[in-house]
Amino acid sequence: NAGVTQTPKFQVLKTGQSMTLQCAQDMNHEYMSWYRQDPGMGLRLIHYSVGAGITDQGEVPNGYNVSRSTTEDFPLRLLSAAPSQTSVYFCASSYSRGTSGGRSYEQYFGPGTRLTVT
Amino acid sequence: AQSVTQLGSHVSVSEGALVLLRCNYSSSVPPYLFWYVQYPNQGLQLLLKYTSAATLVKGINGFEAEFKKSETSFHLTKPSAHMSDAAEYFCAVSLPTGGTSYGKLTFGQGTILTVHP
Repeated sequence: NAGVTQTPKFQVLKTGQSMTLQCAQDMNHEYMSWYRQDPGMGLRLIHYSVGAGITDQGEVPNGYNVSRSTTEDFPLRLLSAAPSQTSVYFCASSYSRGTSGGRSYEQYFGPGTRLTVT
Repeated sequence: AQSVTQLGSHVSVSEGALVLLRCNYSSSVPPYLFWYVQYPNQGLQLLLKYTSAATLVKGINGFEAEFKKSETSFHLTKPSAHMSDAAEYFCAVSLPTGGTSYGKLTFGQGTILTVHP
């Protein structure tokens, strides 16, 4: 298994440009999510999906769109890039595994995309 | 809503010394807790997790963490630091939910561990 893959690894955009960050997983996980990592702030959830055709907003969704047409893919779209979106973006996937009293939701992370907006 | 606080953005230890990285959480219900490690220019790797079984959890690379409900803490320890342990460590919390609900991860701010020879 390749696990969670992300492309590109690095990207430089000018303010106002649009682009799509790609994320794919081959583990048949139902849950996928996008985080951004900024120094001193940990990782913050942007959008997530609990299955094909179902997405929802996380903590910092403004400026980003997502869709989930297949179980494997979960692209993140920046419609009009802003310098505030300069960050490292991580995609993650997870599954629910029945345990007494709940689910574990262990998450598997991709290698990240480093985005700079000038 | 849940939250996580990691005490100390930078921790420095000597090789062979005890590693202690502190994490305190806030949650309205008993949470699931995780420690992730991030090596430079890489993604996050799960070190260990607490999911309401044993309160002392052992993970990879000799790390362990103890869930203390009375102190709302989940500190990460390793008896003897190695140079290869130098990395950034993140504590995270999620709430156990049933059905098709999604257990969102809330991360702490991260602690950078430096190991000196």
